[in-house]
Amino acid sequence: DGGITQSPKYLFRKEGQNVTLSCEQNLNHDAMYWYRQDPGQGLRLIYYSQIVNDFQKGDIAEGYSVSREKKESFPLTVTSAQKNPTAFYLCASSPGQGAGSGANVLTFGAGSRLTVL
Amino acid sequence: GQSLEQPSEVTAVEGAIVQINCTYQTSGFYGLSWYQQHDGGAPTFLSYNALDGLEETGRFSSFLSRSDSYGYLLLQELQMKDSASYFCAVRSDQAGTALIFGKGTTLSVSS
Repeated sequence: DGGITQSPKYLFRKEGQNVTLSCEQNLNHDAMYWYRQDPGQGLRLIYYSQIVNDFQKGDIAEGYSVSREKKESFPLTVTSAQKNPTAFYLCASSPGQGAGSGANVLTFGAGSRLTVL
Repeated sequence: GQSLEQPSEVTAVEGAIVQINCTYQTSGFYGLSWYQQHDGGAPTFLSYNALDGLEETGRFSSFLSRSDSYGYLLLQELQMKDSASYFCAVRSDQAGTALIFGKGTTLSVSS
């Protein structure tokens, strides 16, 4: 079955450490996204990528980095520069802009919950 | 800037009908989407309205009025499993096909 796989599901990090969250999709989607969710909050956009080898900052990119070397993969690194990294991280994908209304349908992974000790 | 407003909480009983409203502010409009998220889970797509009017999908319906920058999600014949958070979302003005989400409405269904 097609979908998005995020790993690890739970991650603990000490202050000052960088961690990388994995996101892999087999939906053949062009666009991929990373969102952060805090308790009682909506989803806030960290980074997005519309095509391989290209990505753009979202609303809260500071302290995060990404890469998009393959269509299927969009890993997120939470760096030590991120002041408050404890959160639920969601990766999503969608067809590209050429898909018309289908571009509005995001498919999400199960999420990665990061806790800083 | 862009913003979406929706109630933070709604409560209802099984079998009832509930309406979750969403007002939005955005410069370029590409439609209003709704997502459902159960506690600790991934958001899942429910509906999308690009044009004014009502879209019906089973027990769920979604309405859009572009002139009022307003939409709602209507849930009928509520079941316990409908207890979840519901988010409205619009396409970002500045981030390609990325969506900007409201803060979500937590629906609690009791027996």
